Amino acid sequence: EAEVAQSPRYKITEKSQAVAFWCDPISGHATLYWYRQILGQGPELLVQFQDESVVDDSQLPKDRFSAERLKGVDSTLKIQPAELGDSAMYLCASSLSGAADALGSPLHFGNGTRLTVT
Amino acid sequence: KQEVTQIPAALSVPEGENLVLNCSFTDSAIYNLQWFRQDPGKGLTSLLLIQSSQREQTSGRLNASLDKSSGRSTLYIAASQPGDSATYLCAVRPRTGAQKLVFGQGTRLTINP
Repeated sequence: EAEVAQSPRYKITEKSQAVAFWCDPISGHATLYWYRQILGQGPELLVQFQDESVVDDSQLPKDRFSAERLKGVDSTLKIQPAELGDSAMYLCASSLSGAADALGSPLHFGNGTRLTVT
Repeated sequence: KQEVTQIPAALSVPEGENLVLNCSFTDSAIYNLQWFRQDPGKGLTSLLLIQSSQREQTSGRLNASLDKSSGRSTLYIAASQPGDSATYLCAVRPRTGAQKLVFGQGTRLTINP
């Protein structure tokens, strides 16, 4: 079964440093999501892409976070500078193409990147 | 604003028992509801997706039901096994507002051999 690939699996960084996460969605999935999950809580959406365009980034802390999906396939999420409160699991997910289709389609998640900021 | 609640936060049962996990949501205007499984330190695995027009979905020993009018969904697990131990999350896709998935906090399930 096709999977959403994420790397790295774990990342430890000092506060004020820059960090980046990578995601490769399932082939053919035009909708890509980045979520943040704090331990013991459900995931919260940071940013949603439809192809290369941002559909929703209302919860993305834009002073320090940035996300791109230049060719509408894989995506990178960056944090600069990292803060202690950014420690969390960062999850990437994808769903079928088309914004309207995506509303009724299941999300498929990667294994995430566990970020620890010291 | 849509809110999703899962009670209890943790559940421990002996192997072989049938069990029910609960999910409630505040706004019945949804496209669908999805149940996920999450193993420690891992991502989410989609278990079942119920569209708003459906009442239930089944996959193997899992059965999920949806009652939109009362804002409730249940995940029934038959003949539980130690391998079912994980955190189970439900999420709804609202029809209104930003239409982004809203997750519950999950139920941490432990099946004791």
